[in-house]
Amino acid sequence: EAQVTQNPRYLITVTGKKLTVTCSQNMNHEYMSWYRQDPGLGLRQIYYSMNVEVTDKGDVPEGYKVSRKEKRNFPLILESPSPNQTSLYFCATLSNTGELFFGEGSRLTVL
Amino acid sequence: AQSVAQPEDQVNVAEGNPLTVKCTYSVSGNPYLFWYVQYPNRGLQFLLKYITGDNLVKGSYGFEAEFNKSQTSFHLKKPSALVSDSALYFCAVRANTGGFKTIFGAGTRLFVKA
Repeated sequence: EAQVTQNPRYLITVTGKKLTVTCSQNMNHEYMSWYRQDPGLGLRQIYYSMNVEVTDKGDVPEGYKVSRKEKRNFPLILESPSPNQTSLYFCATLSNTGELFFGEGSRLTVL
Repeated sequence: AQSVAQPEDQVNVAEGNPLTVKCTYSVSGNPYLFWYVQYPNRGLQFLLKYITGDNLVKGSYGFEAEFNKSQTSFHLKKPSALVSDSALYFCAVRANTGGFKTIFGAGTRLFVKA
C-alpha cells in the first residue's frame, strides 16, 4: 500500500528541547515537502526537496531544518522549538500524476 | 505571486441538497488546480484536479469542479450532499511553469445536516 508515514503523530515538548519529526515514503517519489497547518491559514510550506541532497526553503522555514540523505526519508528538525511552532505538521510527496500525497499528520505542542 | 481564496469559512447544507464550495485563484500563466479533503485527525486526501481540457472535472465520492478561466474560479460541487461529506476542504493551485510549489487556500468547513 502506498504510504507516507510520519512519526510521532502527537508530541508535547518544552521550549528549547530539540526534536525530529520523521517522514518516510514507499512510492519512490522524488519530490517531498513539509507543511504546517494553522487555523485560518491553510497549509504553508516549510521546506521541500526535489531529490536526494537537494532541499530548499518554502514560505515559513524559520526555526526548522531538513535533510534528504536518502530518497524515502525527509525528516523535519526543530533545533530549539518555541511555542509559535505549535502546529499540525504534514509531510507530502508529489505523485507522478501531479497531486500531493499526504501523511497522517503530526500534532506538535511546544510549552 | 500565486494565491488562493476560499471566501467561506463554513458552508452548511442539508443532506440531499446540492453543495458548492467556492475557490478563486491567482497565478501567472495557466494553472493546475486541485481540491483536497481532510477528515478529522487525518491527512489531506486528493479529490480532483484540473490540468487541461474539459472545464468540468469529476473526482472521488461524486464530487466535481468547474474551471472558469475568465472568473479565475474552481468551485467544488456535488449534486446531492451526504452527512459523510462533512469535512474540511482545501483548494490549491500550482503554476504550470515548471515548478512544483502548491499554494493552498485557508480551507472551508462543510457541515451536512441530516
